[in-house]
Amino acid sequence: DAGITQSPRHKVTETGTPVTLRCHQTENHRYMYWYRQDPGHGLRLIHYSYGVKDTDKGEVSDGYSVSRSKTEDFLLTLESATSSQTSVYFCAISEGTDYGYTFGSGTRLTVV
Amino acid sequence: QQQVKQSPQSLIVQKGGISIINCAYENTAFDYFPWYQQFPGKGPALLIAIRPDVSEKKEGRFTISFNKSAKQFSLHIMDSQPGDSATYFCANGGSNYKLTFGKGTLLTVNP
Repeated sequence: DAGITQSPRHKVTETGTPVTLRCHQTENHRYMYWYRQDPGHGLRLIHYSYGVKDTDKGEVSDGYSVSRSKTEDFLLTLESATSSQTSVYFCAISEGTDYGYTFGSGTRLTVV
Repeated sequence: QQQVKQSPQSLIVQKGGISIINCAYENTAFDYFPWYQQFPGKGPALLIAIRPDVSEKKEGRFTISFNKSAKQFSLHIMDSQPGDSATYFCANGGSNYKLTFGKGTLLTVNP
Protein backbone atom coordinates (compact mmCIF):
# COMPACT_ATOMS: atom_id res chain seq x y z
CA ASP A 1 0.00 0.00 0.00
CA ALA A 2 1.27 3.41 -0.92
CA GLY A 3 2.98 5.24 1.93
CA ILE A 4 2.74 2.54 4.58
CA THR A 5 4.72 -0.65 4.99
CA GLN A 6 4.65 -3.35 7.62
CA SER A 7 7.46 -5.72 8.49
CA PRO A 8 7.81 -8.58 8.64
CA ARG A 9 4.98 -9.87 6.46
CA HIS A 10 5.05 -13.29 8.08
CA LYS A 11 6.56 -14.52 11.32
CA VAL A 12 6.51 -17.73 13.31
CA THR A 13 7.70 -17.49 16.87
CA GLU A 14 7.72 -19.61 20.00
CA THR A 15 5.58 -19.10 23.06
CA GLY A 16 7.26 -16.86 25.59
CA THR A 17 9.54 -15.01 23.21
CA PRO A 18 9.33 -11.25 22.62
CA VAL A 19 8.26 -10.10 19.17
CA THR A 20 8.32 -6.65 17.59
CA LEU A 21 6.32 -5.66 14.54
CA ARG A 22 7.13 -2.50 12.64
CA CYS A 23 4.94 -0.03 10.83
CA HIS A 24 6.61 2.59 8.67
CA GLN A 25 4.87 5.48 6.90
CA THR A 26 6.07 8.09 4.46
CA GLU A 27 2.90 10.23 4.59
CA ASN A 28 3.81 12.27 7.68
CA HIS A 29 0.41 11.45 9.19
CA ARG A 30 -0.09 12.24 12.85
CA TYR A 31 -2.24 9.23 13.80
CA MET A 32 -1.16 5.62 13.69
CA TYR A 33 -3.04 2.53 14.86
CA TRP A 34 -2.44 -1.16 15.43
CA TYR A 35 -5.34 -3.56 14.90
CA ARG A 36 -5.55 -7.32 15.04
CA GLN A 37 -7.87 -9.31 12.81
CA ASP A 38 -9.27 -12.65 13.88
CA PRO A 39 -12.08 -14.77 12.41
CA GLY A 40 -15.37 -13.89 14.04
CA HIS A 41 -13.96 -10.80 15.72
CA GLY A 42 -13.29 -8.44 12.85
CA LEU A 43 -10.73 -5.72 13.47
CA ARG A 44 -9.95 -4.80 17.06
CA LEU A 45 -7.84 -1.86 18.15
CA ILE A 46 -4.74 -2.74 20.18
CA HIS A 47 -2.97 0.60 20.64
CA TYR A 48 -2.83 3.88 18.83
CA SER A 49 -0.65 6.97 18.63
CA TYR A 50 -1.72 10.58 18.23
CA GLY A 51 1.79 11.98 17.95
CA VAL A 52 5.44 11.26 18.64
CA LYS A 53 5.69 9.63 22.07
CA ASP A 54 1.90 10.00 22.52
CA THR A 55 0.20 6.63 22.68
CA ASP A 56 -2.86 5.11 24.31
CA LYS A 57 -4.53 1.76 24.77
CA GLY A 58 -7.24 0.31 22.61
CA GLU A 59 -9.79 -2.41 23.16
CA VAL A 60 -7.38 -5.39 23.39
CA SER A 61 -4.11 -3.97 24.74
CA ASP A 62 -3.21 -6.61 27.35
CA GLY A 63 0.12 -8.29 26.48
CA TYR A 64 1.10 -5.58 24.00
CA SER A 65 3.16 -2.42 24.19
CA VAL A 66 3.96 0.23 21.60
CA SER A 67 6.47 2.94 20.95
CA ARG A 68 6.66 5.87 18.60
CA SER A 69 9.96 7.74 18.76
CA LYS A 70 9.53 9.42 15.38
CA THR A 71 6.61 10.30 13.16
CA GLU A 72 7.22 7.61 10.58
CA ASP A 73 7.61 4.54 12.79
CA PHE A 74 5.16 2.83 15.14
CA LEU A 75 6.36 -0.36 16.80
CA LEU A 76 4.17 -3.04 18.35
CA THR A 77 5.83 -5.37 20.87
CA LEU A 78 4.50 -8.60 22.27
CA GLU A 79 6.40 -8.85 25.52
CA SER A 80 6.02 -12.63 25.85
CA ALA A 81 4.12 -14.13 22.96
CA THR A 82 1.21 -16.50 23.65
CA SER A 83 -0.78 -18.70 21.30
CA SER A 84 -3.79 -16.39 21.73
CA GLN A 85 -1.77 -13.69 19.99
CA THR A 86 -1.64 -15.69 16.78
CA SER A 87 -3.36 -13.29 14.41
CA VAL A 88 -3.03 -10.96 11.47
CA TYR A 89 -1.85 -7.54 12.58
CA PHE A 90 -2.67 -4.41 10.62
CA CYS A 91 -1.22 -0.96 10.97
CA ALA A 92 -3.24 2.03 9.81
CA ILE A 93 -2.52 5.73 9.43
CA SER A 94 -4.72 8.80 9.37
CA GLU A 95 -3.93 12.45 8.83
CA GLY A 96 -6.68 13.35 11.27
CA THR A 97 -8.85 15.50 9.03
CA ASP A 98 -11.44 12.72 8.88
CA TYR A 99 -11.64 9.09 9.79
CA GLY A 100 -10.35 7.73 6.50
CA TYR A 101 -7.60 5.22 7.20
CA THR A 102 -4.89 3.81 5.00
CA PHE A 103 -4.03 0.29 6.06
CA GLY A 104 -0.82 -1.63 5.58
CA SER A 105 -0.74 -5.08 4.04
CA GLY A 106 -0.60 -6.82 7.39
CA THR A 107 1.71 -9.13 9.32
CA ARG A 108 0.66 -12.73 9.81
CA LEU A 109 2.02 -13.85 13.19
CA THR A 110 1.91 -17.44 14.34
CA VAL A 111 2.87 -18.31 17.92
CA VAL A 112 3.69 -22.00 18.39
CA GLN B 1 -16.56 -0.13 24.50
CA GLN B 2 -18.98 1.21 21.96
CA GLN B 3 -20.21 -1.53 19.68
CA VAL B 4 -20.94 -1.73 16.01
CA LYS B 5 -23.18 -4.63 15.08
CA GLN B 6 -22.97 -5.79 11.49
CA SER B 7 -25.16 -8.29 9.63
CA PRO B 8 -25.22 -10.68 7.93
CA GLN B 9 -21.95 -12.51 8.64
CA SER B 10 -21.93 -13.87 5.11
CA LEU B 11 -23.88 -13.21 1.95
CA ILE B 12 -24.11 -14.98 -1.39
CA VAL B 13 -25.52 -13.05 -4.34
CA GLN B 14 -25.85 -13.81 -8.01
CA LYS B 15 -24.11 -11.62 -10.54
CA GLY B 16 -26.27 -8.60 -11.29
CA GLY B 17 -28.12 -8.80 -8.00
CA ILE B 18 -28.23 -6.34 -5.12
CA SER B 19 -26.07 -6.92 -2.05
CA ILE B 20 -27.24 -5.32 1.21
CA ILE B 21 -25.18 -5.21 4.40
CA ASN B 22 -26.50 -3.60 7.56
CA CYS B 23 -24.83 -1.95 10.50
CA ALA B 24 -26.18 -0.74 13.87
CA TYR B 25 -24.17 1.58 16.06
CA GLU B 26 -24.33 2.84 19.64
CA ASN B 27 -22.07 5.86 19.73
CA THR B 28 -24.09 8.84 18.58
CA ALA B 29 -21.43 11.36 19.56
CA PHE B 30 -19.44 11.06 16.36
CA ASP B 31 -20.33 11.83 12.83
CA TYR B 32 -18.54 9.56 10.44
CA PHE B 33 -19.81 6.24 9.15
CA PRO B 34 -17.49 4.48 6.70
CA TRP B 35 -17.48 1.18 4.91
CA TYR B 36 -14.23 -0.63 4.21
CA GLN B 37 -13.59 -3.36 1.64
CA GLN B 38 -10.97 -6.06 2.12
CA PHE B 39 -9.73 -8.58 -0.41
CA PRO B 40 -7.93 -11.76 0.72
CA GLY B 41 -4.34 -11.12 1.75
CA LYS B 42 -4.77 -7.34 1.68
CA GLY B 43 -5.47 -4.63 4.18
CA PRO B 44 -8.92 -3.03 4.31
CA ALA B 45 -9.47 -0.03 2.06
CA LEU B 46 -11.96 2.79 2.46
CA LEU B 47 -14.86 2.22 0.07
CA ILE B 48 -17.37 4.92 0.90
CA ALA B 49 -18.37 7.01 3.90
CA ILE B 50 -21.26 9.19 5.01
CA ARG B 51 -21.85 11.95 7.51
CA PRO B 52 -25.26 12.07 9.24
CA ASP B 53 -26.33 15.36 7.71
CA VAL B 54 -27.42 13.37 4.63
CA SER B 55 -29.55 10.25 4.45
CA GLU B 56 -27.91 8.71 1.40
CA LYS B 57 -24.63 8.83 -0.50
CA LYS B 58 -23.97 7.17 -3.82
CA GLU B 59 -20.67 6.43 -5.53
CA GLY B 60 -21.06 4.41 -8.67
CA ARG B 61 -22.70 1.09 -7.79
CA PHE B 62 -22.18 1.61 -4.05
CA THR B 63 -24.73 3.44 -1.88
CA ILE B 64 -24.83 4.14 1.85
CA SER B 65 -28.25 4.67 3.39
CA PHE B 66 -28.27 6.30 6.81
CA ASN B 67 -31.10 6.24 9.37
CA LYS B 68 -30.11 8.45 12.28
CA SER B 69 -33.24 7.84 14.38
CA ALA B 70 -32.75 4.07 14.17
CA LYS B 71 -28.95 4.36 14.57
CA GLN B 72 -28.44 2.22 11.53
CA PHE B 73 -26.66 2.52 8.22
CA SER B 74 -26.41 0.11 5.34
CA LEU B 75 -24.33 -0.55 2.25
CA HIS B 76 -26.08 -1.38 -1.01
CA ILE B 77 -24.12 -2.79 -3.94
CA MET B 78 -26.11 -2.56 -7.12
CA ASP B 79 -25.45 -4.85 -10.11
CA SER B 80 -23.09 -6.95 -7.96
CA GLN B 81 -20.08 -8.38 -9.81
CA PRO B 82 -17.76 -11.30 -9.01
CA GLY B 83 -15.00 -8.72 -8.49
CA ASP B 84 -17.01 -7.34 -5.56
CA SER B 85 -16.44 -10.60 -3.67
CA ALA B 86 -14.64 -9.46 -0.52
CA THR B 87 -15.13 -8.84 3.18
CA TYR B 88 -16.91 -5.61 4.06
CA PHE B 89 -16.60 -3.77 7.36
CA CYS B 90 -18.68 -0.94 8.72
CA ALA B 91 -17.22 1.32 11.38
CA ASN B 92 -18.05 4.18 13.70
CA GLY B 93 -15.71 6.97 14.69
CA GLY B 94 -14.38 7.82 18.15
CA SER B 95 -11.97 10.23 19.85
CA ASN B 96 -8.51 10.67 18.31
CA TYR B 97 -10.02 9.48 15.06
CA LYS B 98 -10.27 5.93 16.36
CA LEU B 99 -12.52 3.57 14.45
CA THR B 100 -14.56 0.75 15.98
CA PHE B 101 -15.26 -1.86 13.32
CA GLY B 102 -18.06 -4.34 12.88
CA LYS B 103 -17.14 -8.01 12.65
CA GLY B 104 -17.35 -8.05 8.89
CA THR B 105 -19.50 -9.55 6.14
CA LEU B 106 -18.05 -12.02 3.65
CA LEU B 107 -19.70 -11.31 0.30
CA THR B 108 -19.57 -13.88 -2.47
CA VAL B 109 -20.92 -12.93 -5.88
CA ASN B 110 -21.49 -15.97 -8.07
CA PRO B 111 -21.01 -15.60 -11.82
